[in-house]
Amino acid sequence: EAGVTQSPTHLIKTRGQQATLRCSPISGHTSVYWYQQALGLGLQFLLWYDEGEERNRGNFPPRFSGRQFPNYSSELNVNALELEDSALYLCASSLPGGRIVLEAFFGQGTRLTVV
Amino acid sequence: GDSVTQMEGPVTLSEEAFLTINCTYTATGYPSLFWYVQYPGEGLQLLLKATKADDKGSNKGFEATYRKETTSFHLEKGSVQVSDSAVYFCALSRDTGRRALTFGSGTRLQVQP
Repeated sequence: EAGVTQSPTHLIKTRGQQATLRCSPISGHTSVYWYQQALGLGLQFLLWYDEGEERNRGNFPPRFSGRQFPNYSSELNVNALELEDSALYLCASSLPGGRIVLEAFFGQGTRLTVV
Repeated sequence: GDSVTQMEGPVTLSEEAFLTINCTYTATGYPSLFWYVQYPGEGLQLLLKATKADDKGSNKGFEATYRKETTSFHLEKGSVQVSDSAVYFCALSRDTGRRALTFGSGTRLQVQP
């Protein structure tokens, strides 16, 4: 069974540009989570999508946005890139239903570098 | 809000040494608790979990017990190997509100032969 896949693996952008990151969840998983792992800052929660809708977001500015498609894959868009957006962006997926996530499966991440 | 506090790293041990990585949490209700591991150049993998007080999660020789009275979930292993070198993250998930995991800052473990 395929795990969570993210693309691209690496992305280099110039300050002010837009970046689009993609995530395909494990088959049967409807929830997708996005996290930012900046150097030395641990994992910060960005966004949670479930059944095509944004369910919650972390403390990030509106230029961080995304969507979830009918096949449950997801995109993370970062507009007006700033140097401090350079980080590893991790996507995770989990099974539907239930009030808590008992296990989230993570992808390998997209390394975004803003120059 | 919810938070997870882990001991600062890096933790450097010799092979076969005993490992403890401390983790405490702040959350309302009854969160589920997790330890994730990130090997160099890879994403996160779930190492173990516990969903209620006094539960013990275990996997690959690692253990952690959910202590509600001390709001702790310390990770232990009796004899570490070089292959255990990685970054370890403690995390929680609550049953209300935001369902996403809240992570600690991570603790880097370096095991020397």
